[in-house]
Amino acid sequence: QVQLVQSGAEVKKPGASVKVSCKASGYTFTSYGISWVRQAPGQGLEWMGWISAYNGNTNYAQKLQGRVTMTTDTSTSTAYMELRSLRSDDTAVYYCARGAYSIDYWGQGTLVTVSS
Amino acid sequence: EIVLTQSPDFQSVTPKEKVTITCRASQSIGSSLHWYQQKPDQSPKLLIKYASQSISGVPSRFSGSGSGTDFTLTINSLEAEDAAAYYCHQSSSLPYTFGQGTKLEIK
Repeated sequence: QVQLVQSGAEVKKPGASVKVSCKASGYTFTSYGISWVRQAPGQGLEWMGWISAYNGNTNYAQKLQGRVTMTTDTSTSTAYMELRSLRSDDTAVYYCARGAYSIDYWGQGTLVTVSS
Repeated sequence: EIVLTQSPDFQSVTPKEKVTITCRASQSIGSSLHWYQQKPDQSPKLLIKYASQSISGVPSRFSGSGSGTDFTLTINSLEAEDAAAYYCHQSSSLPYTFGQGTKLEIK
């Protein structure tokens, strides 16, 4: 069965970076894109961007341009999302999910807390 | 950026009631509109893709319709387990975006 398993919760100070991993199983990794979506506490879903697991092409939300990098390691079927220069309003649950368009499987989420 | 506006923001409904949630796009997105359900402390779940295409394993009481700028998610004969937040999402034009969400409370 398709599974996306994310890395554990992180606590970071403002200005630091965080890298969240997302290990996929149960399907051919390079046949689907990976989207990243975040959700601030008590808020709605925010699209962050997506990466093609086939060729590494990326599209990022403009508000995150310059601070976010999405990558994949096809040898381990793992996707990564790095966010730099963290601010308090980056505190959120970060989800990886399969698909660039309709997103059919989601990871369990990774809570990233930014606090001094 | 395409803005998706859902209505209502919140609805309190009784079991067996029919529920309609709407999603309006700020410009035409064809049928590139998807619906998700998110229960408290859970990851979102895909309910409907491309406006009206059903998803395997999703109860048949969930259906979607619409194209262009106006879309509807319908839940026939609501059940207690349908208490959740519902989000629309467009993949027509980058950056892809989500609606602000609709929270359904079961009375």
